Amino acid sequence: GAGVSQSPSNKVTEKGKDVELRCDPISGHTALYWYRQSLGQGLEFLIYFQGNSAPDKSGLPSDRFSAERTGGSVSTLTIQRTQQEDSAVYLCASSPTRAGAVYSPLHFGNGTRLTVT
Amino acid sequence: AQSVTQPDIHITVSEGASLELRCNYSYGATPYLFWYVQSPGQGLQLLLKYFSGDTLVQGIKGFEAEFKRSQSSFNLRKPSVHWSDAAEYFCAVGILTGGGNKLTFGTGTQLKVEL
Repeated sequence: GAGVSQSPSNKVTEKGKDVELRCDPISGHTALYWYRQSLGQGLEFLIYFQGNSAPDKSGLPSDRFSAERTGGSVSTLTIQRTQQEDSAVYLCASSPTRAGAVYSPLHFGNGTRLTVT
Repeated sequence: AQSVTQPDIHITVSEGASLELRCNYSYGATPYLFWYVQSPGQGLQLLLKYFSGDTLVQGIKGFEAEFKRSQSSFNLRKPSVHWSDAAEYFCAVGILTGGGNKLTFGTGTQLKVEL
């Protein structure tokens, strides 16, 4: 079946411009995560959505970063006034988390490679 | 806060040789531990996970990992490496957040396989 889909796969933008990154999770998955993968930095947690609960935004690096999830499905990560240090691969993952479940596997998309010039 | 250390940034092994990738974690409670692999142009794929029970866990593609609480380690091993194993490997520790799981990843180990 279809996996997690992210678009665009590559994005080049000029410093100071805003960008939007999109994530289509697997149908029926209630949990959605955004991670950032920078060279030599591993994967950095950004934000987590679970159903209708308030998102966990504890990983967002600055107020230039925001994310929303409409209708419990598609999510958009927005970076305003992009800086060169925002250049990274942004990964989205979804999970079929069920209430009371100890663990649900994360399914990752292939990511969006963002380059800020 | 939890953290994960992968001390080896790059490792090169010959095809057919054994492999061990190191991972150390810091977490105050019983950890949930994971190994993921990222092949070029591919998304992250789960190799194996540890929650409790037997400290030696088996994963896909012939990989295994051993949880050693006394050493706060969760090293990944494979007896005989194949050229297709060349990829980047990430160790992660998970915590539960309201029914979900938020992972903290290490910085990754890039594996190169020489033919």
